[in-house]
Amino acid sequence: DAKTTQPPSMDCAEGRAANLPCNHSTISGNEYVYWYRQIHSQGPQYIIHGLKNNETNEMASLIITEDRKSSTLILPHATLRDTAVYYCIFDSGGSNYKLTFGKGTLLTVNP
Amino acid sequence: NAGVTQTPKFRILKIGQSMTLQCAQDMNHNYMYWYRQDPGMGLKLIYYSVGAGITDKGEVPNGYNVSRSTTEDFPLRLELAAPSQTSVYFCASSFRSETQYFGPGTRLLVL
Repeated sequence: DAKTTQPPSMDCAEGRAANLPCNHSTISGNEYVYWYRQIHSQGPQYIIHGLKNNETNEMASLIITEDRKSSTLILPHATLRDTAVYYCIFDSGGSNYKLTFGKGTLLTVNP
Repeated sequence: NAGVTQTPKFRILKIGQSMTLQCAQDMNHNYMYWYRQDPGMGLKLIYYSVGAGITDKGEVPNGYNVSRSTTEDFPLRLELAAPSQTSVYFCASSFRSETQYFGPGTRLLVL
């Protein structure tokens, strides 16, 4: 099974950057790192994904270490609406599209 | 586009009753999935489908059945409801093995 390790919870002040870590030491060369979030029991929402290069989109940035054993999701200016559970997930793309969700990190953005 | 829609939003079943959870998507995605989420836990894959007429088991398929007669619809059938099936059920779809888009969920209570 693809396993990731995330802290169970984190706090962040509104307007500051939120940096969410994820360890994935068993990741293999063709497995992508995906980040999803789930706001208050709604359906999970895709944020970003990457293979080995750092990635940025309108929601967040993803920093992947050179050895690919860990990554960090960065929300550059957290708002109260970013309070959610954030999931870091492996996905082997073409051969394994069955996502394995752990318990994720509950990010609480405080005013 | 409505995206992924699920009905009903909430349902109470008695032990032994049957029901079908409906899921539809209008994004012409070929892959569809059913997950369940128990309180405080991550999502677990029940069944998935890579196209009309093709389905396969996920991590927790016991007690459920699926069918995929069209690209748009992927209903989940519970034949003999048990208290252990009390959960929130999420349907998702994707274009091949890329980003998954989730529905709003169906909350099921079995008493």
